[in-house]
Amino acid sequence: EDQVTQSPEALRLQEGESSSLNCSYTVSGLRGLFWYRQDPGKGPEFLFTLYSAGEEKEKERLKATLTKKESFLHITAPKPEDSATYLCAVRGGSEKLVFGKGTKLTV
Amino acid sequence: DARVTQTPRDKVTEMGQEVTMRCQPILGHNTVFWYRQTMMQGLELLAYFRNRAPLDDSGMPKDRFSAEMPDATLATLKIQPSEPRDSAVYFCASLGEETQYFGPGTRLLVL
Repeated sequence: EDQVTQSPEALRLQEGESSSLNCSYTVSGLRGLFWYRQDPGKGPEFLFTLYSAGEEKEKERLKATLTKKESFLHITAPKPEDSATYLCAVRGGSEKLVFGKGTKLTV
Repeated sequence: DARVTQTPRDKVTEMGQEVTMRCQPILGHNTVFWYRQTMMQGLELLAYFRNRAPLDDSGMPKDRFSAEMPDATLATLKIQPSEPRDSAVYFCASLGEETQYFGPGTRLLVL
């Protein structure tokens, strides 16, 4: 059974204080690891897809990386508008995504 | 800017009543998902469709929940009868080339 574990559950940063969020996963035949951002009262918003170990993607202050067992979302010099819940999900042998419970980031 | 739309945005009902939630996927997306989100369980997949045919509804309580796609522009999720434990946010998502795109959700409160 595919599983995703995110840590920490919550993270509070000072503006400008860089950090990383972790997503550990087990999946049979990874066909993509996805990062979403969710603001209160809204649906998850797509950020990145990573497909293979060693791959990296960047968007503004965010950079996502992938290994065979985990992914990291690095946040460089965060601003208050980066405050949100960040969700990680994996896709295995079908179109289904299995989500972690998220990390709530407060800047 | 193409988006998934959902109605209603908020629903308050009493235990035992029927609840119907609607979703309009992004035009051209032929795979549609229904999720439920709670604080305890996070995002859970209830069911999904491809080309309007149900592919997997194993996450859905069959005795009270039903999901359909009457046409390519409408997906529905019904709960009958509703129970307080059904209180959650229900999201619809449609599958694009790279990933799933989510609607704004229906927040359901069953009293």
